[in-house]
Amino acid sequence: AAGVIQSPRHLIKEKRETATLKCYPIPRHDTVYWYQQGPGQDPQFLISFYEKMQSDKGSIPDRFSAQQFSDYHSELNMSSLELGDSALYFCASSFSDRGLGTEAFFGQGTRLTVV
Amino acid sequence: GDSVTQMEGPVTLSEEAFLTINCTYTATGYPSLFWYVQYPGEGLQLLLKATKADDKGSNKGFEATYRKETTSFHLEKGSVQVSDSAVYFCALSDQTGGSYIPTFGRGTSLIVHP
Repeated sequence: AAGVIQSPRHLIKEKRETATLKCYPIPRHDTVYWYQQGPGQDPQFLISFYEKMQSDKGSIPDRFSAQQFSDYHSELNMSSLELGDSALYFCASSFSDRGLGTEAFFGQGTRLTVV
Repeated sequence: GDSVTQMEGPVTLSEEAFLTINCTYTATGYPSLFWYVQYPGEGLQLLLKATKADDKGSNKGFEATYRKETTSFHLEKGSVQVSDSAVYFCALSDQTGGSYIPTFGRGTSLIVHP
């Protein structure tokens, strides 16, 4: 079965550079979530999209932005990178019409290292 | 806001030992509860879930019961294997602004020795 695809799997950037992370949700899923997981930390919710519109916002820095495109893939854009942005970034997708109890399916994550 | 509290790890066990990982939650609504597992270098995979009080989720020998009175969802397994070594995350999903955003605990690392 198709899963959530994230690219790239690994990314190394220098401070103050820009990074773009991509996420391809499971086909027919209408909701995409982005999470940031620091070393030894729980995943922190950044932002979500429902049917290509931003639906909720968590602890996403102003330096970050995201969007969902007409083909439902999503991109997380990160500018003016800082050392503290080094983390594992997860994308997840779900089908919202199933309501409460619908699980989110996660990709394998993009490990971003800022040097 | 909603939150999930898990016991700190790492939890170190010998193969075939009994496992309990405690999880309690705080939620404004009536959440669904989940356990996710993360193997090294991989993403989060759903292990089991429960959507209402007294529901028991189970999968691969793992079980957890939704206890509304104690706001808990403890993970148990009767006999762990080396292959169960991973990080386990308790999570809840509650309706917020019309959507259901999973909220995670800090994760508990399980190490199983042969």
